[in-house]
Amino acid sequence: SAVISQKPSRDICQRGTSLTIQCQVDSQVTMMFWYRQQPGQSLTLIATANQGSEATYESGFVIDKFPISRPNLTFSTLTVSNMSPEDSSIYLCSVVHDANTGELFFGEGSRLTVL
Amino acid sequence: KNQVEQSPQSLIILEGKNCTLQCNYTVSPFSNLRWYKQDTGRGPVSLTIMTFSENTKSNGRYTATLDADTKQSSLHITASQLSDSASYICVVSAKTGANNLFFGTGTRLTVIP
Repeated sequence: SAVISQKPSRDICQRGTSLTIQCQVDSQVTMMFWYRQQPGQSLTLIATANQGSEATYESGFVIDKFPISRPNLTFSTLTVSNMSPEDSSIYLCSVVHDANTGELFFGEGSRLTVL
Repeated sequence: KNQVEQSPQSLIILEGKNCTLQCNYTVSPFSNLRWYKQDTGRGPVSLTIMTFSENTKSNGRYTATLDADTKQSSLHITASQLSDSASYICVVSAKTGANNLFFGTGTRLTVIP
């Protein structure tokens, strides 16, 4: 299994500001993902964080709004830029530790509230 | 269109009772199906994984079933405990596609004493 630490666990932010969420994994993983979970909704994939190259974004998500860094195989950051109340959500870091099983391991999530 | 639908949306049961959660999917080609448990304020944790050839799989008091013909899965919880209160999310993997995971919206289970 993989142990994933995310911080901050929660934050309250002002409209127009940006916040960076950090994700630390206790082992090297190839596949790392960022998800958003809006209230009462299912998880939505924002992007795949690629080590050493630009992240791969899903439809509806762009790099200017959600810049992602992946400097090595154990760490990634997601920035939510120029926040608005619609960005209030839980943001989850996720990894696949064993490609044979494909099981996703999730961090505890970062709950953002934008005022 | 690949979709995963769960029912009920929410459920309240008495401690010690059993319950069954449903997951219907249209994901194709099907690879596997997982049930995740998400406690409030925590990340989802995998309970079971079902592949095409598996009909039933148990994990303690949790038993998952899969009918690949009708594209339905269920998660049965036996002798519920207060700690079972959580959201249960059904996730279906497709064999192909860059984004090949499809998430249900979850069932919110509340177990009351």
